[in-house]
Amino acid sequence: AQRVTQPEKLLSVFKGAPVELKCNYSYSGSPELFWYVQYSRQRLQLLLRHISRESIKGFTADLNKGETSFHLKKPFAQEEDSAMYYCALSSRGDQKLVFGTGTRLLVSP
Amino acid sequence: EAGVAQSPRYKIIEKRQSVAFWCNPISGHATLYWYQQILGQGPKLLIQFQNNGVVDDSQLPKDRFSAERLKGVDSTLKIQPAKLEDSAVYLCAGGQGMNTEAFFGQGTRLTVV
Repeated sequence: AQRVTQPEKLLSVFKGAPVELKCNYSYSGSPELFWYVQYSRQRLQLLLRHISRESIKGFTADLNKGETSFHLKKPFAQEEDSAMYYCALSSRGDQKLVFGTGTRLLVSP
Repeated sequence: EAGVAQSPRYKIIEKRQSVAFWCNPISGHATLYWYQQILGQGPKLLIQFQNNGVVDDSQLPKDRFSAERLKGVDSTLKIQPAKLEDSAVYLCAGGQGMNTEAFFGQGTRLTVV
């Protein structure tokens, strides 16, 4: 069965500190992995996807198939990074998303 | 901004009443999804349309939930009769095809009392 686990409900850091939001998944096959973000009073939007292998707003995420993880990282957190972050997966050739429960990131000045 | 439109934004109903939500995806997006997001959880897929056909409704509680996308554009999701556990945010999303970005609406927050 497809499952996404985000172990932390809340992650609180100070501005300038490194951030790592954890995501583990279970899937029999080759999934597509995504990070979606929801800023306050805004809609859910795509932050990045593993196949793009790009950095968005300073965030990166590497797919580790051995550890079945897709952790989101940023070396220096900014206050505007405060938001709800959801890890999600889909099957190749499909677009249906299975979401984790989300991690709220709070970046304090 | 142009994007996925959903209405209403908020709805409060009593249990056993019926309710309907509306979604208009971005023009040209053939794929449309309805997700249910219960407080403290991630969104869970209810139904997927490709144009006006249902691709996957395996997680839709069909005894009380129904959805349609008659002309392959906008869509409605109905609950009849509602239960307390249906209280959630109902999200509509659309996309252009496989492995492309899903664009989400603002959602409709339903409270069943």
